[in-house]
Amino acid sequence: KQEVTQIPAALSVPEGENLVLNCSFTDSAIYNLQWFRQDPGKGLTSLLLIQSSQREQTSGRLNASLDKSSGRSTLYIAASQPGDSATYLCAVLTGANSKLTFGKGITLSVRP
Amino acid sequence: DGGITQSPKYLFRKEGQNVTLSCEQNLNHDAMYWYRQDPGQGLRLIYYSQIVNDFQKGDIAEGYSVSREKKESFPLTVTSAQKNPTAFYLCASSRDRLVEQFFGPGTRLTVL
Repeated sequence: KQEVTQIPAALSVPEGENLVLNCSFTDSAIYNLQWFRQDPGKGLTSLLLIQSSQREQTSGRLNASLDKSSGRSTLYIAASQPGDSATYLCAVLTGANSKLTFGKGITLSVRP
Repeated sequence: DGGITQSPKYLFRKEGQNVTLSCEQNLNHDAMYWYRQDPGQGLRLIYYSQIVNDFQKGDIAEGYSVSREKKESFPLTVTSAQKNPTAFYLCASSRDRLVEQFFGPGTRLTVL
């Protein structure tokens, strides 16, 4: 059974800091890994998708990496801004039923 | 604009009532999904559908039912058999089961 872990559950940083959010998963036989952002009371916004054959993806100030063999992914946020404050969720797609398994998320607060 | 809509945004249910949550997409996606989100937990899959007139149970299907009569629509009924239905419900869709999933804005269901 796939399990996805995101530690710590919450993070507070000053504005302008570069930061790394971690995600680990137990079953390396994944199709892809997706990072999402969720604002309070809202749906999920897809940030980046990394296919199993890829090592990283970039979008603006965001860079996600994937090390499938070690079961790890990181989301790098450059020059953080207060508007980046949200919960960031990692999810992996695995299995014959192509099920998306989510971590519990990291709640990020960027202080002005 | 292409996207996923969910209605209503807030829903209140009395004990013993069935309620139906709406999910519509105009992305021409074949696959659609229903997830439940509870505080402190990751998203859990309720039901998914890969094609019209076909759907499969997810991890927590008991007390829920779905239909997929049209490609654009995947309504979820929360029945009186669901013992703890208060939660945030998220609908998602994808072009097929192996690619990026996109989410709607969610429906918050509260049992009175």
